[in-house]
Amino acid sequence: QSVLTQPPSASGTPGQRVTISCSGSRFNIGGNYVYWYQQFPGTAPKLLIYWDNQRPSGVPDRFSGSKSGTSASLAISGLRSDDEADYYCAAWDDSLSGQLVFGGGTMLTVL
Amino acid sequence: EVQLLQSGAEVKRPGTTVKISCKVSGYSFSDYYINWVQQAPGKGLEWLGLLDPEDGATIYAERFQDRVTIIADTSIDTAYMELSSLRSEDTAVYYCALARSGSYSLDYWGHGTLVTVSS
Repeated sequence: QSVLTQPPSASGTPGQRVTISCSGSRFNIGGNYVYWYQQFPGTAPKLLIYWDNQRPSGVPDRFSGSKSGTSASLAISGLRSDDEADYYCAAWDDSLSGQLVFGGGTMLTVL
Repeated sequence: EVQLLQSGAEVKRPGTTVKISCKVSGYSFSDYYINWVQQAPGKGLEWLGLLDPEDGATIYAERFQDRVTIIADTSIDTAYMELSSLRSEDTAVYYCALARSGSYSLDYWGHGTLVTVSS
């Protein structure tokens, strides 16, 4: 059971806009930054969004992050077939002694 | 260019200890926290802990606190993660990842090291 809750799957057609949600608590998303990672099968994760809504250089502006209260979302617009991957949210959790926590991941399928 | 080079795959018996290395290059070693992340086959990401190479301070995830040790040899820009009392559930790919000091954004990732725990 992951500390952050994501839907296990999401899907969309090319060109569509899809969103992936990430739900937490006041100990993590509610009080700390959210990060999003993209992972293709057999490869290491890649940072997609940091500090809730910032994109590292090289990440297309089709990817955007947002946060409200104890929930966050990743939006992908102009969906492409090569966006098909697993997506993970993460945030620092202040409960206990503090640790980085991840969502369970969302497998995005482009139909 | 920042690069992280991890050691090769390991096969371990239950109850033993594995030690994985992560040699970094392309930046000042003290500028980034070194994190370790576990990914079991077909499963999600789980954070094990981090080390601040500046002072050697560590933070470990509650679930692994009793079994994980992260250290660094600053003379060769290499970090190590040691996981003890291995069990079959520890079979996973282990990634080292860098977060800029003061941040928890895992900006750079190693290629991963597969650890198989089997009798």
